[in-house]
Amino acid sequence: NAGVTQTPKFQVLKTGQSMTLQCAQDMNHEYMSWYRQDPGMGLRLIHYSVGAGITDQGEVPNGYNVSRSTTEDFPLRLLSAAPSQTSVYFCASRGVADRGSEQYFGPGTRLTVT
Amino acid sequence: QQQVKQSPQSLIVQKGGISIINCAYENTAFDYFPWYQQFPGKGPALLIAIRPDVSEKKEGRFTISFNKSAKQFSLHIMDSQPGDSATYFCAARGYNQGGKLIFGQGTELSVKP
Repeated sequence: NAGVTQTPKFQVLKTGQSMTLQCAQDMNHEYMSWYRQDPGMGLRLIHYSVGAGITDQGEVPNGYNVSRSTTEDFPLRLLSAAPSQTSVYFCASRGVADRGSEQYFGPGTRLTVT
Repeated sequence: QQQVKQSPQSLIVQKGGISIINCAYENTAFDYFPWYQQFPGKGPALLIAIRPDVSEKKEGRFTISFNKSAKQFSLHIMDSQPGDSATYFCAARGYNQGGKLIFGQGTELSVKP
């Protein structure tokens, strides 16, 4: 199993540009989520999904869109990048059958918006 | 509103010493409390987790202490080693939270040889 994979690893955008961060998992996990990590702020939840076709907002959803057309993929879209979106983004997944099931994280995407 | 508060923000410990990181939460619906370890350039990885029906859980050199009445839990790293140098996050998840895992702010631990 590759686990949770993210692409790209690094990205530089100009203000106003759009892009999609890709996330895929091969563990047949129902639950997937996106976090951003900023110094002193911990990991903050952007959006999450409990299954294909179902998504919901987390703590900091503004400026981001998501969709879940398959169990495996959960892309994060930035429609019009802003410098405040400079961050490290992590995708995560877990099964939902067990309430205490482990959440697995991808390696992250480091995004810089100039 | 920060639902999970973590301290200290950074910690320096000598090799062989005990590292202690504390977390406090507000939501009494939280029923799962994991700790994650993150090395530079990597994603967080589950280290140890506890449920509120026990007051302590130990795995090797890592122990979680849990105080339900005070709504606090802590991570103790015994015999700290330079290889333990990493960022540690506490987190919490509740049965009525839609499966969301809420993280503390993180603690950067440095273990000096």
